[in-house]
Amino acid sequence: EVQLVESGGGLVKPGGSLRLSCAASGFTFSSYSMNWVRQAPGKGLEWVSSISSSSSYIYYADSVKGRFTISRDNAKNSLYLQMNSLRAEDTAVYYCARGRIGSGWYYFDYWGQGTLVTVSS
Amino acid sequence: QSVLTQPPSVSGAPGQRVTISCTGSSSNIGAGYDVHWYQQLPGTAPKLLIYGNSNRPSGVPDRFSGSKSGTSASLAISGLQAEDEADYYCQSYDSSLSGPYVFGTGTKVTVL
Repeated sequence: EVQLVESGGGLVKPGGSLRLSCAASGFTFSSYSMNWVRQAPGKGLEWVSSISSSSSYIYYADSVKGRFTISRDNAKNSLYLQMNSLRAEDTAVYYCARGRIGSGWYYFDYWGQGTLVTVSS
Repeated sequence: QSVLTQPPSVSGAPGQRVTISCTGSSSNIGAGYDVHWYQQLPGTAPKLLIYGNSNRPSGVPDRFSGSKSGTSASLAISGLQAEDEADYYCQSYDSSLSGPYVFGTGTKVTVL
């Protein structure tokens, strides 16, 4: 059974930093691209960042580019998101999601339960 | 802001059929990229509902169906049930500079 378990969320002041983790199990982690998707309170889904299976390709949404860094450790079956210079608008539940890629398509087939990040003074 | 537009809400009585539209542009759906759909039940994580425009993952009831035409896509729920009350999001690839993966604005389905 595929499982994705996020951790590391919490309350942080504006300008602060936080590192999210996602522990994966039930599949060959090193064979899949992985993603972070967030959802602000009462709002819709927003894709944040993606990393390919071997970390060769990394993408960010414009809203987090230059402030967030995605990484992975295939030996530990773990995905990370280092978030710096946090702003109030980064407040959201952050989901880890497995990616499936093909010609003309990319979707998220498994999701974690999410971890809440609150940026407030 | 999202580049895929959905109606904020749709509603229907149990047993009825409802449809949710997802309108994009020439940089995403209209460029031939596939559309995928997710269901988010209250207080839970999103779940993949439809992939590749019209394919259902194992375990998803055949009451859910998807289609795509031109710059738009649709999700249909037939035989609406109380447990279908949730938020639904479309998602596709976008070739513009803002980021490759985009979600729709989301639609709340209410079962009357």
